[in-house]
Amino acid sequence: NAGVMQNPRHLVRRRGQEARLRCSPMKGHSHVYWYRQLPEEGLKFMVYLQKENIIDESGMPKERFSAEFPKEGPSILRIQQVVRGDSAAYFCASSPPTSGNRNHEQFFGPGTRLTVL
Amino acid sequence: DAKTTQPTSMDCAEGRAANLPCNHSTISGNEYVYWYRQIHSQGPQYIIHGLKNNETNEMASLIITEDRKSSTLILPHATLRDTAVYYCIVRVSGGYQKVTFGTGTKLQVIP
Repeated sequence: NAGVMQNPRHLVRRRGQEARLRCSPMKGHSHVYWYRQLPEEGLKFMVYLQKENIIDESGMPKERFSAEFPKEGPSILRIQQVVRGDSAAYFCASSPPTSGNRNHEQFFGPGTRLTVL
Repeated sequence: DAKTTQPTSMDCAEGRAANLPCNHSTISGNEYVYWYRQIHSQGPQYIIHGLKNNETNEMASLIITEDRKSSTLILPHATLRDTAVYYCIVRVSGGYQKVTFGTGTKLQVIP
């Protein structure tokens, strides 16, 4: 069973370009989470998605950032008109469907390191 | 989710037990204690979690005090590969699982 896959692992963009980060959850996992980690800081929650639904986007910047998790294919985190401050590591995590009160750990991908020039 | 307090950094000699403390004095009755670690430049890795009983798995042991206001993660025989940032997190059971990471403890295992 392959783990959480993220691509690309490294992405370089110039200011004003768009960045698309992809995340394929583990097999059987229908919950996806995106986190951002700035240098020397902890991970900050951005958004939580289930298939075709955004459940919690309280950590997403109000502008330029969007996320989706379509019925088929990977989850996409999209950053439009990137700025230098968007340079960070972006991690995706997945977990299986919740069942009752059982708590499921999240499995993290290797991350995408975005550098904005 | 409740806040946690961890020391910024710790050293441990290779082969010795590493004991990483965490304070979570405002933890609620339905909140679990989770531990993750992040080895440099990698994604966080789940280690262990518990509610009120002590837990052990192949990676570590988790000791939770009776009042649940603090816990200790124990790596019984630390190796150089255990050098990482260790995050203690408390969160509710059930529902969805937004995880709030603090700054963690940077554990340095010394040869």
